[in-house]
Parts: sequence; structure tokens; C-alpha cells
Amino acid sequence: GAVVSQHPSRVICKSGTSVKIECRSLDFQATTMFWYRQFPKQSLMLMATSNEGSKATYEQGVEKDKFLINHASLTLSTLTVTSAHPEDSSFYICSAYREPEQFFGPGTRLTVL
Amino acid sequence: GNSVTQMEGPVTLSEEAFLTINCTYTATGYPSLFWYVQYPGEGLQLLLKATKADDKGSNKGFEATYRKETTSFHLEKGSVQVSDSAVYFCALSKGTGGFKTIFGAGTRLFVKA
Repeated sequence: GAVVSQHPSRVICKSGTSVKIECRSLDFQATTMFWYRQFPKQSLMLMATSNEGSKATYEQGVEKDKFLINHASLTLSTLTVTSAHPEDSSFYICSAYREPEQFFGPGTRLTVL
Repeated sequence: GNSVTQMEGPVTLSEEAFLTINCTYTATGYPSLFWYVQYPGEGLQLLLKATKADDKGSNKGFEATYRKETTSFHLEKGSVQVSDSAVYFCALSKGTGGFKTIFGAGTRLFVKA
């Protein structure tokens, strides 16, 4: 149990387009999900905390208008990278919180050309 | 603020060698401590955790002891295998289960046959 999936696993897009990444908790309900960003050979940086039915809480320095987060149900959170640029290329990882543990998705590699 | 410092990699070992990856933390109060492992192209998996001082977390032959006096949580394994090659992240959270986790920079381990 406690499986978290992400879709897509890889996406390549052109600069200026928007990309949506889905994070699903497959066998449990999660009122809280987290979105992280991981640059090559670096650690995970928390971008935002996604709360079901309310607005996401963004970490300092993360543009909320660029990284739109929607947590419309207890099993699904989406991250939309709007008007993506090459500097947004990264590995995006979500996690779902089920007390007392956090379960991570496999990640989505975004490449912006 | 809270932070995690872990030894820089990469660490290269021969199969059956002893492994130690150092991790120290800075935190107010009594955080929970974690080790996560990330295999190539995958998301993070919880390897082990400890929630209070002197607790020892263990899994798959890996161990780490929560040392409050030295604010450390070093990861050890007596005999590594090629399949242990991965990136290992030390992390802490103020809650018991990883809510708003803070990660170290990660240590890449290569195990040679």
C-alpha cells in the first residue's frame, strides 16, 4: 500500500508552453501533498504544500503564478508549469502525506527546449 | 533554522565493504530523522527513520542511530552490494512522519563488483 504515481514520467516541451504534471495517491487519501524540485546532483527543494480544497502554500522564492497547484480531490494534486522556459527544466517530485509518513512519487523529468 | 549536512560524494566502494555516510543536523526541539534512497531515474524511498534520541532505525542491512548529543544520524551498512548503488539523502522533520521535510544534499554511492 501507500503508492504514489506521477504522470507523465517525462515531458519535453517548447519554450512558452504550459505543462501539467499529475500526482496521485493510488491506495490512500491524502489531504496534504508536497511538490519538490530537484536539480541535477542536488537535493530536493520544497516548492509548495498542496492542501485539498484550499490554496497551496508556496515556499519563499517560488512564483505561485508560474507554478500553479491544484489539489481538487483527496487523491490528486496537479502542478502546472506555465509559460515554461529552459531554466524550468528539472526533475519534479511529489509526495503524499499519510500520517505518520510521507510517500514519494517516481518523479517527472521536464525538459524545456 | 533547521538544516541537514551530509558528507559529499561520490563514495566509491568495492562489494562487501563497510559503508558509513555521515549526517549531522541543526534543529530546534526534537526532530524526526530519516534516510531516503533514490535509485537512478526513480523517486525517493524511505530507507529508515528514528523519531527520538537513541532510537536506531534499520532496514535492508542499513542502520542509523539518533544521537542527540552529537546531533548526528550516520548511515552504516556492514557489507554493501552493487545493488546499493544509489543516492542517499539524510532528512529531518519536526513532526513524526516527515511533514515539511528538510533534506540534505545527498550522497551518491557507487559499489563496484
